[in-house]
Amino acid sequence: TAGITQAPTSQILAAGRSMTLRCTQDMRHNAMYWYRQDLGLGLRLIHYSNTAGTTGKGEVPDGYSVSRANTDDFPLTLASAVPSQTSVYFCASSDSRSGGNEQFFGPGTRLTVL
Amino acid sequence: GQNIDQPTEMTATEGAIVQINCTYQTSGFNGLFWYQQHAGEAPTFLSYNVLDGLEEKGRFSSFLSRSKGYSYLLLKELQMKDSASYLCAFMDSNYQLIWGAGTKLIIKP
Repeated sequence: TAGITQAPTSQILAAGRSMTLRCTQDMRHNAMYWYRQDLGLGLRLIHYSNTAGTTGKGEVPDGYSVSRANTDDFPLTLASAVPSQTSVYFCASSDSRSGGNEQFFGPGTRLTVL
Repeated sequence: GQNIDQPTEMTATEGAIVQINCTYQTSGFNGLFWYQQHAGEAPTFLSYNVLDGLEEKGRFSSFLSRSKGYSYLLLKELQMKDSASYLCAFMDSNYQLIWGAGTKLIIKP
């Protein structure tokens, strides 16, 4: 069982360039999330989607956009990357209709913006 | 406002017991989660508490006091593989997780 996959594993990106981080889950979870994780800080929510066709802004949405065309895929796009977007990005999903709302995480994408 | 706090780093000895504390403040609460994260890997779920009390799961137990805004994760019979960061998070009134910065646990032989 794949669970959640993310691509690429890592990337070095020039400032000003655009990039899409891919995330796919095969658990048929209704909810999906994008977080960034920086040293000394907790995971911070960028965007989320409670169901296909809907998205919402998290704590740190500026500079990022998402789409949720179907249940399985939740890509994150950086339109014009800046060095402060250097981080590890985690995609997660959950079946928010069940108790506990446990989130399952993908392996992460390590992004460096120069 | 909302905030959550846990110690940055703890050290313990193999075979011993360690308690990692987490305190939080929020106006809306829908449960407290603990996750384990090994270096360079994704967080993985350990426990969920929504009612006061102790939940035991093998060597790991988690405790919650909602009135005190307090939780702890108790790890028994520590093994070297338990060396990891332990992340505390509460679910707020919008059902979003608010995460602590994590506690790095170092296990010494």
